[in-house]
Amino acid sequence: QVQLVQSGAEVKRPGASVKVSCKASGYTFSDYYLYWVRQAPGQGLEWMGAINPSGLITTTAQKFQGRVSMTRDTSTSTVYMELSSLRSEDTAVYYCTRLDSWGQGTLVTVSS
Amino acid sequence: DIQMTQSPSSLSASVGDRVTITCRASQGIRSDLGWFQQKPGKAPKRLIYAASSLQGGVPSRFSGSGSGTEFTLTISSLQPEDFATYYCLQHYTFPYTFGQGTKLEI
Repeated sequence: QVQLVQSGAEVKRPGASVKVSCKASGYTFSDYYLYWVRQAPGQGLEWMGAINPSGLITTTAQKFQGRVSMTRDTSTSTVYMELSSLRSEDTAVYYCTRLDSWGQGTLVTVSS
Repeated sequence: DIQMTQSPSSLSASVGDRVTITCRASQGIRSDLGWFQQKPGKAPKRLIYAASSLQGGVPSRFSGSGSGTEFTLTISSLQPEDFATYYCLQHYTFPYTFGQGTKLEI
């Protein structure tokens, strides 16, 4: 079955960067877009961006442009999302998803 | 960006009730819409794709309808495990956008 397994929780200082990984299994990795969605505490779901099957095309919500980088490693079936210039408002659970399947989420806490 | 307006934001209901949640898109999105259920501390789960197709393993009491700009999620007879927050998501064009969510409470 399809599985998306994300890296563990992170605590970062304001201004730092965080890189979250998402390892896929149970399907042909190069056949599907993968997406990143985040959820701040007590808030709704927020779509961040997408990476295409080849990893050559990424699309990012305007809010995150210039701060987020999405990459994929087809040799390990893993996608990565790096968010830079972190601020307290970036404290959230970050999910990778194929829409029909979701990772377990990665809590990123930004605190001084 | 396409705005998804979801209503109501919260809803009180009882076991056995029929409930309907609505999403309205700011422009036509064909049937490129999904419905997701999220329980506290858990990842979302897709219930409906392509506006009206039931995801495998999802109970048949869930149904979706609509196309263009108006969409509904209906739960025909609420069960205790259905009390959760529900979101719509348009995937017609980037950036994809979620509705604000509907919290379904007892």
